[in-house]
Amino acid sequence: SYELTQPPSVSVSPGQTASITCSGDKLGDKYACWYQQKPGQSPLLVIYQDSKRPSGIPERFSGSNSGNTATLTISETQAMDEADYYCQAWDSSTVVFGGGTKLTVL
Amino acid sequence: EVQLLESGGGLVQPGGSLRLSCAASGFTFSSYAMSWVRQAPGKGLEWVSGISSSGDNTYYADSVKGRFSISRDNSKNTLFLQMNTLRAEDTAVYYCANQSPNFDYWGQGTLVTVSS
Repeated sequence: SYELTQPPSVSVSPGQTASITCSGDKLGDKYACWYQQKPGQSPLLVIYQDSKRPSGIPERFSGSNSGNTATLTISETQAMDEADYYCQAWDSSTVVFGGGTKLTVL
Repeated sequence: EVQLLESGGGLVQPGGSLRLSCAASGFTFSSYAMSWVRQAPGKGLEWVSGISSSGDNTYYADSVKGRFSISRDNSKNTLFLQMNTLRAEDTAVYYCANQSPNFDYWGQGTLVTVSS
């Protein structure tokens, strides 16, 4: 079965750029999207189709996808961005999530 | 405003059954495929099952295939998940979400606890 691999944790200082990776076999041939989940809340879509932002998502969130790796980049990271982030892709007719990355802003 | 409201969760013994519902509003329910996604306590997201907009096609994760059944009633804007032969490892918050094909909107989730 298809797998997506994320680092368990990433740390960033306020105002700096955070990058979270998601790896999968030929992931660049698929669309990747990213969800943000804060404690006690439902997931929130922040990037879809590799690099598009839904309405209401700040411009500091961006994405890319090439080769075997998709990347979520958060520029000028703020304390409010501290959350778990999950990548997601489709494999045939099934959905695959990455294991999640806890972003700590300190 | 899009709303997805799950219900039907609770405590059930191993081997038991439970039926989850998801009431949708604020969008044309019959035009969207839908999915159930679960999250075990302290763990990540796991896709469980999906259904096409018409209900003609259904899809399942290997972990629930043969035990869970997804369905929908487009006349009542409601999504269902029938869960049979429940196991301790099915304990999780179950979310319904619409597919576009991304999961644009999520419900607040309903907790299913499988324990004796």
